[in-house]
Amino acid sequence: GQNIDQPTEMTATEGAIVQINCTYQTSGFNGLFWYQQHAGEAPTFLSYNVLDGLEEKGRFSSFLSRSKGYSYLLLKELQMKDSASYLCAVRDSSGGSYIPTFGRGTSLIVHP
Amino acid sequence: DAGITQSPRHKVTETGTPVTLRCHQTENHRYMYWYRQDPGHGLRLIHYSYGVKDTDKGEVSDGYSVSRSKTEDFLLTLESATSSQTSVYFCAIRGADSGNTIYFGEGSWLTVV
Repeated sequence: GQNIDQPTEMTATEGAIVQINCTYQTSGFNGLFWYQQHAGEAPTFLSYNVLDGLEEKGRFSSFLSRSKGYSYLLLKELQMKDSASYLCAVRDSSGGSYIPTFGRGTSLIVHP
Repeated sequence: DAGITQSPRHKVTETGTPVTLRCHQTENHRYMYWYRQDPGHGLRLIHYSYGVKDTDKGEVSDGYSVSRSKTEDFLLTLESATSSQTSVYFCAIRGADSGNTIYFGEGSWLTVV
């Protein structure tokens, strides 16, 4: 299985940039996902990385280094509505199930 | 919107009673999943299905059973609910996009008293 580690909580200021890190250990890496989850709601998909490098999507970017077992989610021009939990999930091809395993999530608090 | 609906959305039940949660999808996805989410544990896979009548266990399957008699419906049953099964339950599907992304339903909040 995977061992996925991300910080429990982070705080940042409106308008700033924040980087949320995720480290993982897996025997058969097959993709990494980031989700956003507001309190009382379902997780919603943000980004997918399977090759090394940076994927940019508006204010959000996600980076992957497979050799280091490391990813980060970068949020720019923070808004109050970005206060949420951010979940890192890693898919493993060993065992054949191709089902992502989720980290415990990082709770981001954006303050004025 | 992945066309997933869960029912009921909220339920309070007594210890020892059976409970069934329903997940309905409208886009003919082959793979469906049931997760539970608890503070300090994150999302954990209970059971999944890879086709009609094809299901398998996940990480936390004890106390749960599932059925998939048709493509659009995936049912999660707690045969005899316990307080430890108080949780929020998310159904999900595997999308057909390039990453085969998992997309979630709105969730079902279950309280066992």
